[in-house]
Amino acid sequence: GNSVTQMEGPVTLSEEAFLTINCTYTATGYPSLFWYVQYPGEGLQLLLKATKADDKGSNKGFEATYRKETTSFHLEKGSVQVSDSAVYFCALIGSSYSGGYQKVTFGIGTKLQVIP
Amino acid sequence: DAGITQSPRHKVTETGTPVTLRCHQTENHRYMYWYRQDPGHGLRLIHYSYGVKDTDKGEVSDGYSVSRSKTEDFLLTLESATSSQTSVYFCAISEVGLNTEAFFGQGTRLTVV
Repeated sequence: GNSVTQMEGPVTLSEEAFLTINCTYTATGYPSLFWYVQYPGEGLQLLLKATKADDKGSNKGFEATYRKETTSFHLEKGSVQVSDSAVYFCALIGSSYSGGYQKVTFGIGTKLQVIP
Repeated sequence: DAGITQSPRHKVTETGTPVTLRCHQTENHRYMYWYRQDPGHGLRLIHYSYGVKDTDKGEVSDGYSVSRSKTEDFLLTLESATSSQTSVYFCAISEVGLNTEAFFGQGTRLTVV
């Protein structure tokens, strides 16, 4: 079945530091890949997505590139802010329709703490 | 924001009692999901639905049942609550299609004492 691997953290960075959160996946076919963010006390919300190989998703200064050759979708930001402190989830939706339906598969979530 | 409402938002219940959580959507999305979120485990799928009266088990379905009698409502029932079911429960919805994203509700914090 499909799976997503990411480190749990916490990742602690100083403000304006460079951020990388690694995400690798296992899936058949050509999945769509997503990064979701969860701020404290809230539900998950979509941060960015990529639907085919070599696509780059970007939003709010965050970027991730769909690398099929390395089955990766690493999240990066050049300069983090305290307001970026949250839990970040990598996820995929598979391209195969087993029985006519598809599921979202999430990674474990990486907690990011940004200190002033 | 996608129209997803979870109720209740918080609940404390006693061990052995049945509990039902409700997810209501106004987006007419085909797929609906129930996840639980626990420290060290991230999000784990409990059950999902791909249409009215069409449901299937996720990875942690033991002790839970679901029903979907209308497109807009997806109910999660803990048949006899246990302390291990203390968690934050999230409902999500998505459309059919390869590029679709999932939209999440605000979550229900359930405590079983």
